Amino acid sequence: QKEVEQNSGPLSVPEGAIASLNCTYSDRGSQSFFWYRQYSGKSPELIMSIYSNGDKEDGRFTAQLNKASQYVSLLIRDSQPSDSATYLCAVMGSGAGSYQLTFGKGTKLSVIP
Amino acid sequence: GAVVSQHPSWVICKSGTSVKIECRSLDFQATTMFWYRQFPKQSLMLMATSNEGSKATYEQGVEKDKFLINHASLTLSTLTVTSAHPEDSSFYICSATSVLLFGETQYFGPGTRLLVL
Repeated sequence: QKEVEQNSGPLSVPEGAIASLNCTYSDRGSQSFFWYRQYSGKSPELIMSIYSNGDKEDGRFTAQLNKASQYVSLLIRDSQPSDSATYLCAVMGSGAGSYQLTFGKGTKLSVIP
Repeated sequence: GAVVSQHPSWVICKSGTSVKIECRSLDFQATTMFWYRQFPKQSLMLMATSNEGSKATYEQGVEKDKFLINHASLTLSTLTVTSAHPEDSSFYICSATSVLLFGETQYFGPGTRLLVL
């Protein structure tokens, strides 16, 4: 069974600090990885996708992928109170033509003003 | 672009009744739509994958006769919860993608909160 593991948190960081969110996955053949943000009572919204080993930066967000370690992370620089949400790591299945996502349980981030 | 809508946003119904939830891709044609369910403080669980014009593929443990999915067009998929019971109360979220436009990225609708009394 494919599994995606995240620390449930809550992770508390002061405003302006760097928040680091981590995720590990079990399916070694997975090639596509996504980070979604979910505010309480709302549906997920896409933050970033990453497909290759290394770092990918988009504004204050940096996704990091290490396929050998089956590890993906999200860094949020200059954290803002509006970043307070649950962050979901999602991994796409490795089967041919499979576009199904397996989600972790999410890490709840709280940015303290 | 990549806007997905759901209707209704919330619904309350009596036990034993059926409820239909619509999922629409507003500005693109979706090759595939997905239906998820999320219980409080839990993550999203995939219920089924739906391709236009073909039968939905249900995940293990999801009753296809209870959760009817119709994907009649490239912009509309519907989920009907038949004979709903209180344990079906949940947050139902659809997502849509177009492989040509977005590769593997899924865009989510705003969700439908169902409460069965």
